Amino acid sequence: AQSVTQPDIHITVSEGASLELRCNYSYGATPYLFWYVQSPGQGLQLLLKYFSGDTLVQGIKGFEAEFKRSQSSFNLRKPSVHWSDAAEYFCAVAPSFSGGYNKLIFGAGTRLAVHP
Amino acid sequence: NAGVTQTPKFRVLKTGQSMTLLCAQDMNHEYMYWYRQDPGMGLRLIHYSVGEGTTAKGEVPDGYNVSRLKKQNFLLGLESAAPSQTSVYFCASSSASTSRPEQFFGPGTRLTVL
Repeated sequence: AQSVTQPDIHITVSEGASLELRCNYSYGATPYLFWYVQSPGQGLQLLLKYFSGDTLVQGIKGFEAEFKRSQSSFNLRKPSVHWSDAAEYFCAVAPSFSGGYNKLIFGAGTRLAVHP
Repeated sequence: NAGVTQTPKFRVLKTGQSMTLLCAQDMNHEYMYWYRQDPGMGLRLIHYSVGEGTTAKGEVPDGYNVSRLKKQNFLLGLESAAPSQTSVYFCASSSASTSRPEQFFGPGTRLTVL
């Protein structure tokens, strides 16, 4: 069965420090990959996505993610964290589009706290 | 362009009461979805629709019904609410285009069932 694992439930970093959030997936083929961010009391906002091509993708708010096929991973990174980045981050995968509905499978999320 | 909107934002029900959550999107998307979010479990798909007049079950459909009478609207109904349905509910929509499969989410509805 397809699954998404985010090993870190909570992460705390200092403002200005670098950040890496881990995401591993289990799927037979290369899926579509997404990172979403959810600020407290808000909906989910798409940070970035990977469909094919360059394995390093850039997103909004200075985030980037790297797809590593050999490790079935799609880790999210940011070189310098801002206090406003405190939120919950969700990794999601979808089967490569086959004409049916776009089934998204979410990880359990990683809650990021930022210390001043 | 409002994107995906949800009504209401908050609701408190007593066990056994019924209610309907409304989702509207103005992006002309073909696909629409209802998810529930519970702590430590990410988002789980309740029902989805691939077009006007069509609906299908997702991962956790029991206790919910849906309807999509218009392309831009997707309704989620609880006929007899139970405390286990206390959750945050998110609606999402996406294009049927193969180049744009990402989903766009509404702000959520926080439902408490007493």
